[in-house]
Amino acid sequence: DAGVIQSPRHEVTEMGQEVTLRCKPISGHDYLFWYRQTMMRGLELLIYFNNNVPIDDSGMPEDRFSAKMPNASFSTLKIQPSEPRDSAVYFCASISGTANTEAFFGQGTRLTVV
Amino acid sequence: SQQGEEDPQALSIQEGENATMNCSYKTSINNLQWYRQNSGRGLVHLILIRSNEREKHSGRLRVTLDTSKKSSSLLITASRAADTASYFCATDGGTALIFGKGTTLSVSS
Repeated sequence: DAGVIQSPRHEVTEMGQEVTLRCKPISGHDYLFWYRQTMMRGLELLIYFNNNVPIDDSGMPEDRFSAKMPNASFSTLKIQPSEPRDSAVYFCASISGTANTEAFFGQGTRLTVV
Repeated sequence: SQQGEEDPQALSIQEGENATMNCSYKTSINNLQWYRQNSGRGLVHLILIRSNEREKHSGRLRVTLDTSKKSSSLLITASRAADTASYFCATDGGTALIFGKGTTLSVSS
């Protein structure tokens, strides 16, 4: 397996624009997580899914953020409208089995909102 | 909210020396994990220690867990320049993994 695949790797957008980040988890993994990493706040859990169902979205900062997992092999994180403070590296991770075992991370999407 | 907090925030050592990083957490856990992140890359799992274990080894890594003190330590022995990275502890917080802010390790040759 190629591991967790995220796209794009880098995204630069203007404030107010819609941004969509994509993630393909490892095949057969039951859990998918979205994290955001900044220098100030470290690695924050935004939302996670179990068998394509959102379990906990309490980390989603605002209504401008939304995430979907239409099937077991694809998830999106959307920001609409984007703001400069959304600039960060967004990671997707997947886990097989239970939610507290080894997580496999993608390479991340570096988002810059200008 | 962050469950684990690493200490120190930054550590600089010479090749061949040992590096020790500590992690403190707040609530009870099922297990604690350590991850490594090279600059600009995703996190990579290093080792998992369960709440009923006190010590675990993997190659040059040694992890200890003290549930009474809610703390863990990661020891990297005989460090190499390639060990330069950020290291994070992660606790399960009941469900999903919650990460600390990490320790940045610099190993100079």
